Amino acid sequence: GQQVMQIPQYQHVQEGEDFTTYCNSSTTLSNIQWYKQRPGGHPVFLIQLVKSGEVKKQKRLTFQFGEAKKNSSLHITATQTTDVGTYFCAGRRGYQKVTFGTGTKLQVIP
Amino acid sequence: NAGVTQTPKFQVLKTGQSMTLQCAQDMNHEYMSWYRQDPGMGLRLIHYSVGAGITDQGEVPNGYNVSRSTTEDFPLRLLSAAPSQTSVYFCASSLTSGEGYEQYFGPGTRLTVT
Repeated sequence: GQQVMQIPQYQHVQEGEDFTTYCNSSTTLSNIQWYKQRPGGHPVFLIQLVKSGEVKKQKRLTFQFGEAKKNSSLHITATQTTDVGTYFCAGRRGYQKVTFGTGTKLQVIP
Repeated sequence: NAGVTQTPKFQVLKTGQSMTLQCAQDMNHEYMSWYRQDPGMGLRLIHYSVGAGITDQGEVPNGYNVSRSTTEDFPLRLLSAAPSQTSVYFCASSLTSGEGYEQYFGPGTRLTVT
């Protein structure tokens, strides 16, 4: 079956440092979504990428979809304490079910 | 709009008991799904539905049943609770599964089976 892995599992950064999480799929994806889950909360949609090589930005967040549509990354510039949480990617292959990655838990040290 | 609502927020069950986790959405979404979240394992799909009367299994369906009699409601039934079912359960909905629309998640139900 389709597998989606994320690295790293955990990341601690000093406030102001950059942060990147990587998502890798065992199969080619139709699209990939990114979600953020604050501690004790529920996942909240951030963005969707569809095209090969696509890059999208949301303020300090940059999302990239690989050329082969098998990997993706989320980069946060100059982290803030409000960025704390777990970031999940979720990949879809055709009309199949969405498969979530294992998540990257981000801690920001003030 | 209330979005996606789940009840109860917390539940403690004894091994062998059964219960139903409730999920409702008021956004007229066709697609609804149930996930369980365990530490270090992300969100795993239990069951999903693409519309009223249509359900299908996800990655981890054993021990759970679902039905979808209306567009709004998608209850999850635990038939005979086991400690391995201790987890946080999230219900989610979206406009459709095929187009990859964003999923809206409920607040979750934290279940402990002793």
